[in-house]
Amino acid sequence: GAGVSQTPSNKVTEKGKYVELRCDPISGHTALYWYRQSLGQGPEFLIYFQGTGAADDSGLPNDRFFAVRPEGSVSTLKIQRTERGDSAVYLCASSSNGGEAFFGQGTRLTVV
Amino acid sequence: DQQVKQNSPSLSVQEGRISILNCDYTNSMFDYFLWYKKYPAEGPTFLISISSIKDKNEDGRFTVFLNKSAKHLSLHIVPSQPGDSAVYFCAASGTGNQFYFGTGTSLTVIP
Repeated sequence: GAGVSQTPSNKVTEKGKYVELRCDPISGHTALYWYRQSLGQGPEFLIYFQGTGAADDSGLPNDRFFAVRPEGSVSTLKIQRTERGDSAVYLCASSSNGGEAFFGQGTRLTVV
Repeated sequence: DQQVKQNSPSLSVQEGRISILNCDYTNSMFDYFLWYKKYPAEGPTFLISISSIKDKNEDGRFTVFLNKSAKHLSLHIVPSQPGDSAVYFCAASGTGNQFYFGTGTSLTVIP
């Protein structure tokens, strides 16, 4: 597809479970970002990849959060031992040459 | 610590009139600014950007103004249309690679 694709669009999980959220960026975009958006807030930075490496992971809230991008394209955000406070919309974006970022539609995560 | 602030959570404007959305930032190292538009259940959509070497950038009905000394930018939409009703986010980036977002302004254009 032409845009950033995120799957699943919705995920409900029980507290304590492990979840994986997938992002398929725009073809050819080397930069990939994960953001988290809570109700009434703007997107909050989590992690940035340039190619395969995590160039900046300073936004990850704690060590339960981890992201990979093994081949420099698709990325997976992994959350261990989920907590109710992790409930939010997780947004992925990609860009080329550090210009404007193009966002996917997001994954709405609900931890019950 | 909110580095990008949008102090107006909502704005209502009559169709055909000008919409002005405001954004303030605190980090003087920011050198690239963007506006995104977001509809419910969708991701943010890029609208327009401006580099700190400029003070104005125009694209059709949308114009972004940057006042570096005041650390302030604004988005003007003229004429406003009902389809412009959405949440607008201001974002900024600097020497790092992340974008810092404001909390958004919900614009309603009344037909």
